[in-house]
Amino acid sequence: NAGVTQTPKFQVLKTGQSMTLQCAQDMNHEYMSWYRQDPGMGLRLIHYSVGAGITDQGEVPNGYNVSRSTTEDFPLRLLSAAPSQTSVYFCASSYSALMGYEQYFGPGTRLTVT
Amino acid sequence: ILNVEQSPQSLHVQEGDSTNFTCSFPSSNFYALHWYRWETAKSPEALFVMTLNGDEKKKGRISATLNTKEGYSYLYIKGSQPEDSATYLCASLSNDYKLSFGAGTTVTVRA
Repeated sequence: NAGVTQTPKFQVLKTGQSMTLQCAQDMNHEYMSWYRQDPGMGLRLIHYSVGAGITDQGEVPNGYNVSRSTTEDFPLRLLSAAPSQTSVYFCASSYSALMGYEQYFGPGTRLTVT
Repeated sequence: ILNVEQSPQSLHVQEGDSTNFTCSFPSSNFYALHWYRWETAKSPEALFVMTLNGDEKKKGRISATLNTKEGYSYLYIKGSQPEDSATYLCASLSNDYKLSFGAGTTVTVRA
C-alpha cells in the first residue's frame, strides 16, 4: 500500500492564482480530511469527508473547496490564492470517522503565496 | 482559539528521566481522544486513540490515560531516550466528526 499520497510537495503561487492540491489513499478509508499547519496553531481542519459524495466544513474553510467523487481521492482547491494561505497542508484518512480509528497522514504540501 | 489545549508547550528532559504532559479538551460532545507523535520533517503518526473514561493505553515506554468527565488526558514517557524527541499532538473528536488538534508539546531529550 502507498498509504496517503499528496502532490505536489512544494508549490509557489502568485496572489489570485488558483490550484488544486491532490490527495489519494489506497486503504479504502471512508474518512478523509485536510488540515493546514501554521506555527503556534497546531493542525487546523479545513474540510472533511465521511464518504464518497459527502463533504463538510471544518474550522477554517474559507477560500478552499473540496469534492469527493471517489473513495480514493479528496482534492483541495484554492480558488484565489492569498498570502494568508501560505502554510503546510496535510491530508489524512481513517477507516471511519467514528470511535477508535486513527488517522494516517500524507507527507504534506508546502505552499507559498507571494 | 484552540479548544484543545496542551501544556506545557515544550519541555526538556534528561535521558533516562520520566516525564508527562497534559491535553485538555471540551467534555461535551466528546467521541474520542487521539495522540500523535510528530517528528521534524515527517508526518504525524498515531500513538493512541482512546474513547472510554478511564481508558489507559501503552506502547513501549509511552502510555496515556483519559478522563472524559473532566476533559483531560495525560501522556507519560518512562525512561526518556533521545529518539523520544518529537512534538506530541493530541486531538479531540467530537460527535460531528470534526477532529480538533492542540498546538502540541515539544519534547527534547538531552543525552
